[in-house]
Amino acid sequence: QKEVEQNSGPLSVPEGAIASLNCTYSDRGSQSFFWYRQYSGKSPELIMSIYSNGDKEDGRFTAQLNKASQYVSLLIRDSQPSDSATYLCAVKGGGAGSYQLTFGKGTKLSVIP
Amino acid sequence: ETGVTQSPTHLIKTRGQQVTLRCSSQSGHNTVSWYQQALGQGPQFIFQYYREEENGRGNFPPRFSGLQFPNYSSELNVNALELDDSALYLCASSLALAGGREQYFGPGTRLTVT
Repeated sequence: QKEVEQNSGPLSVPEGAIASLNCTYSDRGSQSFFWYRQYSGKSPELIMSIYSNGDKEDGRFTAQLNKASQYVSLLIRDSQPSDSATYLCAVKGGGAGSYQLTFGKGTKLSVIP
Repeated sequence: ETGVTQSPTHLIKTRGQQVTLRCSSQSGHNTVSWYQQALGQGPQFIFQYYREEENGRGNFPPRFSGLQFPNYSSELNVNALELDDSALYLCASSLALAGGREQYFGPGTRLTVT
């Protein structure tokens, strides 16, 4: 069974600090990796996607992928109170069953002003 | 805003009843996936529709069924509702030609079964 693991948190960081969110996955054949942000009572919002090893930066967000270690992370620089939300890691396989996203349970981030 | 719409926003049903949830995909997207999100959990894949056919299914019983229409909109039907079906139901659209890799969610339908 394909699994995606995240620390549930809550992760608390002061405003302006770097928040580091981590995710591991079990399916070594996974090809696509995503981070979604979900505010309380709302639906998930896609904020980052990454497909190859290394770093991908978009504004204050950096996604990092290490397929050998089956590890993906999200860094949020200059954290703002508006970043307080649950961050969901999602993984998409490359073979049979590649149509579905497998999600972790999410990490709740709290940015303290 | 992703351009994905869902209706209704909220719904309250009684155990044993049937429910139909609706989704309109983002303009240009031809693939629709449905997910169930229980409180405190990540979304769980129910099934995906592409070209009006089911393109994959998660670990959900047959009383969960769906349709996709020629305009790519979709319905999720759940028969014989159980208390555990209470959840946020999410529709996500994607473009199969791009490998369908990025999926964009609608606002969801909150279903409560009493």
